[in-house]
Amino acid sequence: QVQLQESGPGLAEPSETLSLTCTVSGGSISSRSDSWSWIRQPPGKGLEWIGYIYDSGNTNQNPSLKSRVTMSLDTSRNKLSLRLSSVTAADTAVYYCARKSGALGVFDIWGQGTKVTVSS
Amino acid sequence: EIVLTQSPGTLSLSPGERATLSCRASQSISSGYLAWYQQKPGQAPRLLIYGASSRATGIPDRFSGSGSGTDFTLTISRLEPEDFAVFYCQQYGISPLTFGGGTKVEIK
Repeated sequence: QVQLQESGPGLAEPSETLSLTCTVSGGSISSRSDSWSWIRQPPGKGLEWIGYIYDSGNTNQNPSLKSRVTMSLDTSRNKLSLRLSSVTAADTAVYYCARKSGALGVFDIWGQGTKVTVSS
Repeated sequence: EIVLTQSPGTLSLSPGERATLSCRASQSISSGYLAWYQQKPGQAPRLLIYGASSRATGIPDRFSGSGSGTDFTLTISRLEPEDFAVFYCQQYGISPLTFGGGTKVEIK
């Protein structure tokens, strides 16, 4: 079955660009219908959708973060990436990657999440 | 942006009791594009319900979803010990996709 595993630096300094990777196993990231998403959760708070990307490269991003977000896919390595620029303490969160099922429209498979703390 | 308001914030119940969670949207959600997720401490969310009332694969039938338009409900008919968690609703009808603030179901 499809599994997702996020990886990241753990700690980022304010104003830096944060880079996260999600490795997809057990299935191909090159799906004509599914898309691949990033969602985050600040400590003790709820979930915030960041955006999703199709294997075509088309993206849909949350307007609240769009100016700072870059999403990409590496189909040869079955990985997706997120870059978030000019980070502040407000970007401290657990970052999840998830598959957005083309058939169902919902996030049906999630990674375990990677915790990112923004601090100097 | 569609704002989802979940109530109550916390629900204190005993195993075997019925849980009723509410999710209200700031505008009508087209085609019932409303999902529910369960999240336990230290874990990723797990999909329970999609399309307002369809159970995801492997979800027990004690979980049921209902509603349309702006008012949706997740019902757990008889709480099992493993059901105590935080539950989130999410709309996927209009971008940006949004989540509710969550309802915590705790053991009384």
